[in-house]
This record gives sequence, C-alpha cells and structure tokens, in this order.
Amino acid sequence: DGGITQSPKYLFRKEGQNVTLSCEQNLNHDAMYWYRQDPGQGLRLIYYSQIVNDFQKGDIAEGYSVSREKKESFPLTVTSAQKNPTAFYLCASIRTGNSYNEQFFGPGTRLTVL
Amino acid sequence: GENVEQHPSTLSVQEGDSAVIKCTYSDSASNYFPWYKQELGKRPQLIIDIRSNVGEKKDQRIAVTLNKTAKHFSLHITETQPEDSAVYFCAAILSGSARQLTFGSGTQLTVLP
Repeated sequence: DGGITQSPKYLFRKEGQNVTLSCEQNLNHDAMYWYRQDPGQGLRLIYYSQIVNDFQKGDIAEGYSVSREKKESFPLTVTSAQKNPTAFYLCASIRTGNSYNEQFFGPGTRLTVL
Repeated sequence: GENVEQHPSTLSVQEGDSAVIKCTYSDSASNYFPWYKQELGKRPQLIIDIRSNVGEKKDQRIAVTLNKTAKHFSLHITETQPEDSAVYFCAAILSGSARQLTFGSGTQLTVLP
C-alpha cells in the first residue's frame, strides 16, 4: 500500500497532554502532508512539508506542531492547545516534479481524548 | 476562498445501476482532479484522476468527466457492485496552493444488493 506507515493505529490521550503521531515513508517522496478527518467529513490540511527542514501551515494548524528533520519522517504533535483533538489523522506523501503525481496515504491514527 | 464542493453527500443505488458524483471548483487555474475511495476505517486510495488537457477518462467501470468551462467534474460508476460501497472524495489542486490537494466533503455511496 505505497510504503507509508503511521503509528500508533489507536492513541488515547488525557486532557492536557501532548502526543506525537509518527509518519514514515520509504518512497523517496519529497512532500509530506498531515490531514485531519472528522466523522462524516472530508480531509482538512493541518501542515505540509515540501523539503527537509521546511514546513508550512495548512488550514487548521492551531494546536498542532510538526518537524521535518529527515526526508522519510514527518511527525505530528497534538498539543494541549488543540481543544478538540479527537479525530482520524492521515499522513500522505507525494513525489514532486513537473507533473502531478498520486498522493499516497498512510493507514491513519485514530486519536481519542479521554 | 478557493474550495471544492461535492454532491450528493449520500447516494444509494441498486446493484447493477449507475452512480454519479459531482464536484465543482472555484479556481479556473486548477488542472489536476483526482478521485479517492475510502472504505470504513481505511486510508483513502486513488481510483482515477484526470488532467485538464482531457475531457474524459475511463478505467473499466469507472469514468471521470471534466468540464473546464463550467468548472465541474464528475465520477461515474457503472454496473455498481456491493464492494463499491464506500466514501468517495473528489479533490483539486488549486492555484497558489503549493500543489496541495483541496478535498470535497465526500459522498457515502451505498450499493444495495
């Protein structure tokens, strides 16, 4: 399924805690993305990174942070400032170039706040 | 702002019938339009895409049509089967978006046996 993995599959967080979601890809893709999906809704972009050591805010970045120290890895931290973090989180990657290429998704992490 | 609208939000069809899902976009400079299928609890997977230099693309029972003048594109599934039941998302790369996809809100397709 495209060589992009996410862990853990399920994550439970107590209020006030920060948690980090892992995303790794071995596809040699340049760009990586984090989306949030709420029940019955589409995908909303949290953060994206087109090259190592650079990332940009998406539409709903408040309460989240990311890093891109390696090409293969793009971890997402959900901070205590995110007021309603319970959701399904999807990581994706794409090989950039002159034409548009398929965006591959990871299997997702379901985060629940207790 | 720039966005992608998708209709209907739910669609039920009898097995063997056709299903059509429509999306409109606001940015006339958009030129890449993929469709993703997401089964319950799973990751979205690309099923077909179209670029703005063509008006239609077909892959077995799935086809996508694009009308750039009207700024809408549609997914057509013929001879539907129960395994086609899923949520379908359209998407577009909007100008000025650094090649990131903007997704429609999704259509829950149910194929009734």
